[in-house]
Amino acid sequence: GAGVSQSPRYKVAKRGQDVALRCDPISGHVSLFWYQQALGQGPEFLTYFQNEAQLDKSGLPSDRFFAERPEGSVSTLKIQRTQQEDSAVYLCASSPGLLAGGAAETQYFGPGTRLLVL
Amino acid sequence: GQQVMQIPQYQHVQEGEDFTTYCNSSTTLSNIQWYKQRPGGHPVFLIQLVKSGEVKKQKRLTFQFGEAKKNSSLHITATQTTDVGTYFCAGPGGGSNYKLTFGKGTLLTVNP
Repeated sequence: GAGVSQSPRYKVAKRGQDVALRCDPISGHVSLFWYQQALGQGPEFLTYFQNEAQLDKSGLPSDRFFAERPEGSVSTLKIQRTQQEDSAVYLCASSPGLLAGGAAETQYFGPGTRLLVL
Repeated sequence: GQQVMQIPQYQHVQEGEDFTTYCNSSTTLSNIQWYKQRPGGHPVFLIQLVKSGEVKKQKRLTFQFGEAKKNSSLHITATQTTDVGTYFCAGPGGGSNYKLTFGKGTLLTVNP
């Protein structure tokens, strides 16, 4: 079966441009996550969806960042008026859902979109 | 907020040597997960530990979760060149069970 896919894989943007990054999660996965990974760092949580509901957007760095998942499958992360500090790899992950009792389900990561803002 | 720290940041070993990376959380964790990221790749889930003092093995990899559920370790016996990559630990934080806080990772390189 197909894993998580992301497009584009690479994006070069001029400062001030808007960009849209797409994530196709594993079919049937309820949970979808976006992370930002700077060079040499671990992934940092941006936002979380359960189906089409955005339950947590506490990690979005500014109001220039917006994410949606209107039909509960494909998700788009949009960055408006990109800045150089937005340069990073943006990772999408999905999981089947949530477990009770302290455990969390495995998150399956996509290959990421490497964004470079000049 | 919650912090997850990993040491060492880098480790270079000769093939066949053992390797250990350590993970410490500023808060008690309900579970801890380990991921491996190959150079240029994306994080791939390795394992999840849930119980205090839990030890799990995957072939040459041994994972431990501390008694206080605030620290963890990953030990690789007799490293191979295929073990090269960055190993991350991650724990849920912010009062949720889904919002993972990742450590900065340990980059392992193996000299053949």
